[in-house]
Amino acid sequence: EPEVTQTPSHQVTQMGQEVILRCVPISNHLYFYWYRQILGQKVEFLVSFYNNEISEKSEIFDDQFSVERPDGSNFTLKIRSTKLEDSAMYFCASSAPRGWKLFFGSGTQLSVL
Amino acid sequence: AQKVTQAQTEISVVEKEDVTLDCVYETRDTTYYLFWYKQPPSGELVFLIRRNSFDEQNEISGRYSWNFQKSTSSFNFTITASQVVDSAVYFCALSGNTNAGKSTFGDGTTLTVKP
Repeated sequence: EPEVTQTPSHQVTQMGQEVILRCVPISNHLYFYWYRQILGQKVEFLVSFYNNEISEKSEIFDDQFSVERPDGSNFTLKIRSTKLEDSAMYFCASSAPRGWKLFFGSGTQLSVL
Repeated sequence: AQKVTQAQTEISVVEKEDVTLDCVYETRDTTYYLFWYKQPPSGELVFLIRRNSFDEQNEISGRYSWNFQKSTSSFNFTITASQVVDSAVYFCALSGNTNAGKSTFGDGTTLTVKP
């Protein structure tokens, strides 16, 4: 079965630094998402992206967050100035046109020190 | 606003026991989708099932079965004859019709199956 690929699997950064989390969605998918999971807590929706623009975002997705699809394959999440509370597992997901099933990547564990 | 409640934080059973994980949801949408995901210790999210609001048929897949009851807004998950490999965190999730990929997750239930 095709997979969503996320890199890196772990990222450690200093508070205030910028990080970019990378995702390669499944090739024929058109809808893309970022979710995050703070350790031991629920999975939370951050943002959905379709047709090269954000279709919906949560309250968590403030001005320090941005998403981009720089080419035909990658989908990135940028955090401009990381805070301690940004430490979490970040999951990328994608779905097919008219699809309902989310295919999740294996996640990037972000640790902000 | 949508809400998913998984009242059981942790459940511990002995192998071969049956176990039911509860999920209660709230939504104002008339069309919506319910999901169960498994998160093993390795951390990935594994899709188990999706049910839409118009399909109240119960479903069985091997040792797994799901009971969707719209009247009580519940979507419970039963594992029959549990195995150690079933140990994981299980999440129930809900999404609406306008953005089917935007899911609201419950807090999860940690299932431990002891040998």
